[in-house]
Amino acid sequence: SQTIHQWPATLVQPVGSPLSLECTVEGTSNPNLYWYRQAAGRGLQLLFYSVGIGQISSEVPQNLSASRPQDRQFILSSKKLLLSDSGFYLCASTGTRETEAFFGQGTRLTVV
Amino acid sequence: AQKITQTQPGMFVQEKEAVTLDCTYDTSDQSYGLFWYKQPSSGEMIFLIYQGSYDEQNATEGRYSLNFQKARKSANLVISASQLGDSAMYFCAMRESNDYKLSFGAGTTVTVRA
Repeated sequence: SQTIHQWPATLVQPVGSPLSLECTVEGTSNPNLYWYRQAAGRGLQLLFYSVGIGQISSEVPQNLSASRPQDRQFILSSKKLLLSDSGFYLCASTGTRETEAFFGQGTRLTVV
Repeated sequence: AQKITQTQPGMFVQEKEAVTLDCTYDTSDQSYGLFWYKQPSSGEMIFLIYQGSYDEQNATEGRYSLNFQKARKSANLVISASQLGDSAMYFCAMRESNDYKLSFGAGTTVTVRA
């Protein structure tokens, strides 16, 4: 099965600072990749998904952007963080079988 | 429009008893997949069970089973013989065949009492 590496686990950033969260996938090729954000005690909001290198679909207009420079690398970025960007960010990947969808350990971002 | 609906924000269950978590979905696709995940307080998302829309039998994985009623568009998760470690948030998700998105419901928090 595949493994999703996501880092850092926790991050505290000041308002207005840039952000870069990285997600890499092992054990599969050409996965569909996803970035989700989860507010405390709430559901998962899909932010971006990608079906291939350089292909990014945005679900929610916001202060964030995503890029996929390599097949198994997905990056979430922001030029200037807002307080409302705080949350738990999860990277996910679908496997070669349609029955699989795996998640990274998540990054807890606090914007202060 | 909301594609996945979980109407139970929180549930309490006695240890060793079974609990059913509701999930209804909305799709016009004939081909789709339904997933259930467990999220403990640590935040990790643990895959539990999958049901394909064309699967004739309900999916089962150990103590987890999925009560799939296609005509009603429901995919309820049944956890049998609840354990204290089952206390967590549970999410239902769907992926349609013509769409790459994996959409989640709002989740149900399960608390298992000793």
